[in-house]
Amino acid sequence: DAGVIQSPRHEVTEMGQEVTLRCKPISGHNSLFWYRQTMMRGLELLIYFNNNVPIDDSGMPEDRFSAKMPNASFSTLKIQPSEPRDSAVYFCASSSLQETQYFGPGTRLLVL
Amino acid sequence: GEDVEQSLFLSVREGDSSVINCTYTDSSSTYLYWYKQEPGAGLQLLTYIFSNMDMKQDQRLTVLLNKKDKHLSLRIADTQTGDSAIYFCAESIDDYKLSFGAGTTVTVRA
Repeated sequence: DAGVIQSPRHEVTEMGQEVTLRCKPISGHNSLFWYRQTMMRGLELLIYFNNNVPIDDSGMPEDRFSAKMPNASFSTLKIQPSEPRDSAVYFCASSSLQETQYFGPGTRLLVL
Repeated sequence: GEDVEQSLFLSVREGDSSVINCTYTDSSSTYLYWYKQEPGAGLQLLTYIFSNMDMKQDQRLTVLLNKKDKHLSLRIADTQTGDSAIYFCAESIDDYKLSFGAGTTVTVRA
C-alpha cells in the first residue's frame, strides 16, 4: 500500500484566498483524522471521521475551516478565507477503528 | 486529564543508548505509542505497547511501561545519526483520539 497520500505537499497563498488540502487514506481504513502542527501548539486534532461521517470536530478552530469526506477514499480540509495564523503543517492520518493511526507526509501551508 | 509530557531535548553520542521519557495522565489508555518525525517529514509509527504489558522489544528499540507511575520510556540502543529526529509519545484516549506530547528532539553527535 502507498500509505496515506496528501496533496499538495506545499502550499503558499495570500491572505484571504481559499485553500483546499486533500487526503487519500489507506485502503480499508475506516477512520480518518486531520491534524495541525505548529511550533507553539504542537499537534492538534482538528476533526475525526468514522465511516465517512464527522464524529468529532471540536478541534476545528473556527468557521473558516471545513472538512468533508464524500467517500471512503477521499477527504478535504478547506480554509476560506485563509489567514497568516493558519500557516502550519497539516497532517492527515487513517486507521482501522481503535487501532494505530498512520500519518501522511503532511501539507506545509504558508499564508502570506 | 489529557496531558502527555516529555523533555524537549536530548543529545547523545553516536553508539551510545538514548532514553526518552514520557509521562501521561489517562490511566485508562489502552495503547501508548512512540512516533518519529524526521525533518520535513510526517510522523512515522515506531512502536507501541499495550497497556497490560511492561516491556516490548523490537530490534534496537525497547519500550518500558510503568503503569503505576504512568511513565513510558523508549530506549534506542547503539544510536545512529539516522536516529536524529523528534520523537513523540502518545496515549490513546476515548476510542479514537491520540494525545501527543510536545516531542523530544534527539540530536546524535559524532
